[in-house]
Amino acid sequence: DVVLTQTPPTLSATIGQSVSISCRSSQSLLDSDGDTYLNWLLQRPGQSPQLLIYSVSNLESGVPNRFSGSGSETDFTLKISGVEAEDLGVYYCMQATHAPLTFGSGTKLEIK
Amino acid sequence: QIQLVQSGPELKKPGESVKISCKASGYTFTDYAMHWVKQAPGKGLKWMGWINTYTGKPTYADDFKGRFVFSLEASASTANLQISNLKNEDTATYFCARWELDYWGQGVMVTVSS
Repeated sequence: DVVLTQTPPTLSATIGQSVSISCRSSQSLLDSDGDTYLNWLLQRPGQSPQLLIYSVSNLESGVPNRFSGSGSETDFTLKISGVEAEDLGVYYCMQATHAPLTFGSGTKLEIK
Repeated sequence: QIQLVQSGPELKKPGESVKISCKASGYTFTDYAMHWVKQAPGKGLKWMGWINTYTGKPTYADDFKGRFVFSLEASASTANLQISNLKNEDTATYFCARWELDYWGQGVMVTVSS
């Protein structure tokens, strides 16, 4: 199974600060169809996960553009440019290139 | 609007069975497969598998083969998850999510305790 390693496990930020989360894959997530199925999700406390970014860098509809994704093959990054209070929660990367789908262990974002 | 509405919380004893439902609305049910995802208390997300909502064919992750069954009531736009012979380690919240992971149910907390 593909292992996704997220760092850091926890992140503390002030409002307006920019932060980045790293997700490294144990194998390339480039699919034979040319797409890379690496997504980012946010789970706010007590809520269901919410899709933020799909296929590395595509912003899901309705998600603020302070969120951005980048990377390729095995190294990926989620950046939040100007953290807001509503961004607190646990961020997960997940891959859908290889079965079974797998998730990273999560990065908890706290607001100082 | 698109919604996935899941059934309510369950309290079961070890060895019992439980059936969780996920009712979709706002889109054509058979156009999108459905994932099932497990989240143990205080833990991360674990993919259980998916069901093709057009053919009804389920696919299970290795850890969820045997006691777990995905099924459909397509006429009711509903996907179901049944867990038999419940164990303490099945205590978790179970989410359904549309194929592209763009819509999720609110989750069902299943507690297994004697």
